[in-house]
Amino acid sequence: QITLKESGPTLVKPTQTLTLTCTFSGFSLSTSGVGVGWIRQPPGKALEWLALIYWDDDKRYSPSLKSRLTITKDTSKNQVVLTMTNMDPVDTATYYCAHRLPTDAFDIWGQGTMVTVSS
Amino acid sequence: QSALTQPASVSGSPGQSITISCTGTSSDVGGYNYVSWYQQHPGKAPKLMIYEVSNRPSGVPDRFSGSKSGNTASLTISGLQAEDEADYYCSSYTSSSTLVVFGTGTKVTVL
Repeated sequence: QITLKESGPTLVKPTQTLTLTCTFSGFSLSTSGVGVGWIRQPPGKALEWLALIYWDDDKRYSPSLKSRLTITKDTSKNQVVLTMTNMDPVDTATYYCAHRLPTDAFDIWGQGTMVTVSS
Repeated sequence: QSALTQPASVSGSPGQSITISCTGTSSDVGGYNYVSWYQQHPGKAPKLMIYEVSNRPSGVPDRFSGSKSGNTASLTISGLQAEDEADYYCSSYTSSSTLVVFGTGTKVTVL
């Protein structure tokens, strides 16, 4: 059974760096074709894909946020970490991590973690 | 990379069928059979309903079906039920460097 869980601060100040950790079980990020992605959703708004990392360390980023995002993986710990620099109130959102199938669908999602950006 | 276009809202009565469209380009929806659909109830994480255009994961009712024609993918819900009231998002593989694009989302209301 695949599970994922996001963790990190619930409140960050403007200009600070956000670090979120996705801890997963039930699969290995060293298995060919497997990936983990980060997706966010501001209150009342649509899903927005942020970043994706694959088993071979291939990394992809949303063009609009690429300069602020870094995604890394620790296969031994079964974790994927997302950092986002220079946080702004518009970055207030629920942040999800999700398991990505080789068929390019996110089949299992974490419960999400709400991050508020405010001074 | 622009988001895929979905209608903001679709509604139907219990038992009816509704269809949600998802329009992209030849670089995403039209170019690959990697369209997926997600259902999201308020306060909950999205749930995969359809992958590879028309495949249902285990446990998803067969009332949900997917199709594609040209640059537009569609999700049809047959025999609409009250529990189907939710937001629905499409997503597609894209040949751009990002590999992922989501739709704008559709709110389904059961009248």
